[in-house]
Amino acid sequence: LAKTTQPISMDSYEGQEVNITCSHNNIATNDYITWYQQFPSQGPRFIIQGYKTKVTNEVASLFIPADRKSSTLSLPRVSLSDTAVYYCLVGEGYGGSQGNLIFGKGTKLSVKP
Amino acid sequence: DSGVTQTPKHLITATGQRVTLRCSPRSGDLSVYWYQQSLDQGLQFLIQYYNGEERAKGNILERFSAQQFPDLHSELNLSSLELGDSALYFCASSPPVSSGANVLTFGAGSRLTVL
Repeated sequence: LAKTTQPISMDSYEGQEVNITCSHNNIATNDYITWYQQFPSQGPRFIIQGYKTKVTNEVASLFIPADRKSSTLSLPRVSLSDTAVYYCLVGEGYGGSQGNLIFGKGTKLSVKP
Repeated sequence: DSGVTQTPKHLITATGQRVTLRCSPRSGDLSVYWYQQSLDQGLQFLIQYYNGEERAKGNILERFSAQQFPDLHSELNLSSLELGDSALYFCASSPPVSSGANVLTFGAGSRLTVL
């Protein structure tokens, strides 16, 4: 399983862009990178998934360098409601590596007014 | 509403007892996953079922068991309960085939309190 490492916590202010980096040095060829968001006492919610380069949706962007050994989740202009725990997962899941089922401790993002 | 239904939402029981948590996946999803999250802890993957068969196993205790029924709903059975089993138990489901890695949709969770 590709092990992921991300910061335990981050602080930001409303309106700022937040970048959370995840390291996954032993990512496999078939592995994808998936990010989830979790609010207290709620189940995680899918944010974004990517394989290489850049992926953008209405919520966030995901930047993946060519070597794929890391990835950065970018949240534009955060608000107080973005305060949550963010998880980076790496794996395939369809008959292959199940690393995308292992959540770890995640990054606790605190957004201040 | 994520489409994944978990019951009960809250459950209080005593040590040594047995409880059953139930999960109905989103319509069309074949995989069901169970997770345990204790206070201020990360999500611990317990087990995955795909179309009725066990697909992956995580840190599931021998006192715990699960199954997925022909209608695709799943049950997680927790027996000989201990205080440390108090936690939020989440169920998630994912569609059968997709590009990329499987994406999980989580339910609202079942909060178990063991006294």
